[in-house]
Amino acid sequence: GDSVTQMEGPVTLSEEAFLTINCTYTATGYPSLFWYVQYPGEGLQLLLKATKADDKGSNKGFEATYRKETTSFHLEKGSVQVSDSAVYFCALSPNQAGTALIFGKGTTLSVSS
Amino acid sequence: NAGVTQTPKFQVLKTGQSMTLQCAQDMNHEYMSWYRQDPGMGLRLIHYSVGAGITDQGEVPNGYNVSRSTTEDFPLRLLSAAPSQTSVYFCASSAGYSGANVLTFGAGSRLTVL
Repeated sequence: GDSVTQMEGPVTLSEEAFLTINCTYTATGYPSLFWYVQYPGEGLQLLLKATKADDKGSNKGFEATYRKETTSFHLEKGSVQVSDSAVYFCALSPNQAGTALIFGKGTTLSVSS
Repeated sequence: NAGVTQTPKFQVLKTGQSMTLQCAQDMNHEYMSWYRQDPGMGLRLIHYSVGAGITDQGEVPNGYNVSRSTTEDFPLRLLSAAPSQTSVYFCASSAGYSGANVLTFGAGSRLTVL
């Protein structure tokens, strides 16, 4: 079945460092891909999404490109801030009516000043 | 615009007790769902609904009941709580239930079963 695999955490970085969180997926058909972020004590919120191959989603300095050839949707940010400390979830929608979003296990990012 | 509201935020139960986690959304969303979040497990779908009067099971439905009598409300009932149900529960909704529809999450309900 469809699945999402993302890198294990925690990821610990200094402020202004470059961030990559790897995400790969397995899916039949043409899924939509998402990154959700969960700040401490809060629910998840959408960070960015891409709905077809080669689409780039971007928001708040974060970017991810939908790569069908490598089945990947890696999250990147050029210069992280302390306020980016959170748990990041990669997710996949199979694009079929009635099917649910499939989440990766989450990657914890901790940024220190 | 409140979005998705969950109550209570925290609850402690004893094994065998029952309770209901409430979820309400004010966005007229068709799709509503319940997830549980456990360390190292990500989010797992418990139950979902694609409209009033329609519910279905997700990945981990055992021990939970749901109903959807109105578009706005989607309560999750624990029939006889067990320690394995200690978790953080999230309700989420979206305007549709396929494709690129974005989920809006509530703030979560932390449940401890002793």
